[in-house]
Amino acid sequence: DAGITQSPRYKITETGRQVTLMCHQTWSHSYMFWYRQDLGHGLRLIYYSAAADITDKGEVPDGYVVSRSKTENFPLTLESATRSQTSVYFCASSESGTGDTGELFFGEGSRLTVL
Amino acid sequence: DAKTTQPPSMDCAEGRAANLPCNHSTISGNEYVYWYRQIHSQGPQYIIHGLKNNETNEMASLIITEDRKSSTLILPHATLRDTAVYYCIVEGSYGGSQGNLIFGKGTKLSVKP
Repeated sequence: DAGITQSPRYKITETGRQVTLMCHQTWSHSYMFWYRQDLGHGLRLIYYSAAADITDKGEVPDGYVVSRSKTENFPLTLESATRSQTSVYFCASSESGTGDTGELFFGEGSRLTVL
Repeated sequence: DAKTTQPPSMDCAEGRAANLPCNHSTISGNEYVYWYRQIHSQGPQYIIHGLKNNETNEMASLIITEDRKSSTLILPHATLRDTAVYYCIVEGSYGGSQGNLIFGKGTKLSVKP
């Protein structure tokens, strides 16, 4: 089915382990985004990508790595997970960023717990 | 920090209009105002956006003041399913690159029977 999907939906890991959250969209949207959501902070932008092989930092990039080798995929990697990275992670895509282009399409989220 | 200010919570009676205010006094001339909502545990959902003129779609209306320093999202006939956190967002930028939305804490709208 067309859309934006995230996997895994739920993940429990331990401090120091590497974790990769996957994001896949079927619209061939140019822009993709990763946000994290914590109680009391709303959504905060981690990284975004304007096209394949083009990525840039958002508000809270420390501790995260992204890549975009294919337009449809935008994985987010926590190279050495910390407890402070326990959060709900949302991936989003849009046709051409924001401005007058309208909406971001969000995935259902990936809930990560770091013990 | 988010460029917008919203009340943390509001109540609305089912069937009545819900009017959600947003202040964005530092908005630049080419920045759009976006509204999203997030129903519990789900990903945010786009509602509407505008630049200068008022906008209306099947979900809501957006009223932007002439000086563009504030706006109001109107849900004309609120239902229980409209209970959600509503985010007013002004398009932001990092390092000179545009195309990012900075979400604040939003307004939690509770629609009551």
